[in-house]
Amino acid sequence: TQLLEQSPQFLSIQEGENLTVYCNSSSVFSSLQWYRQEPGEGPVLLVTVVTGGEVKKLKRLTFQFGDARKDSSLHITAAQPGDTGLYLCAGVNRDDKIIFGKGTRLHILP
Amino acid sequence: ETGVTQTPRHLVMGMTNKKSLKCEQHLGHNAMYWYKQSAKKPLELMFVYNFKEQTENNSVPSRFSPECPNSSHLFLHLHTLQPEDSALYLCASSQTLGTSGEQFFGPGTRLTVL
Repeated sequence: TQLLEQSPQFLSIQEGENLTVYCNSSSVFSSLQWYRQEPGEGPVLLVTVVTGGEVKKLKRLTFQFGDARKDSSLHITAAQPGDTGLYLCAGVNRDDKIIFGKGTRLHILP
Repeated sequence: ETGVTQTPRHLVMGMTNKKSLKCEQHLGHNAMYWYKQSAKKPLELMFVYNFKEQTENNSVPSRFSPECPNSSHLFLHLHTLQPEDSALYLCASSQTLGTSGEQFFGPGTRLTVL
């Protein structure tokens, strides 16, 4: 069974700080997606990374796909209260099945 | 209405009740999905429909019965549920089937089974 482990499970930091959350697996994925889910809403796709080693930036968010396409990280610079939410990673395997991690619940304190 | 809508947003039901969840997408997409989101578990894909035809059933118990009358509407009929079925049920749609395209999620129905 393919699993995606996300760490940490919970993170609470002050506004203005930097943070990194991780998504790890022992399996190779053809692509990996990051979603943010706010309370009372469904997940919203932030980015898809496809190539090993790929780095994508979305304003203060930097996403990286591992060279071996087994892991990914999300780095947030100067976190703001609006970044609060559940961050989910999802890997697409070679059977075109999508597998989600349990998520990292992020809380930014003003 | 825009995007993907779901009704009701909250539902409390007894184990002997019959209820239905409704999902409607206003995006002109051809594929629709039901997911289950439980606390402490990853998001689980339940059913997939493409052009109204079911293409995937991920070993979901028969007490969950999906229905897709057209590409814009998706229902999940619930019957004799168990307390462990309490969860957030999310509907999603995408332009085409498969994971290469973006899935758009609705806000979910928070289901509590007593």
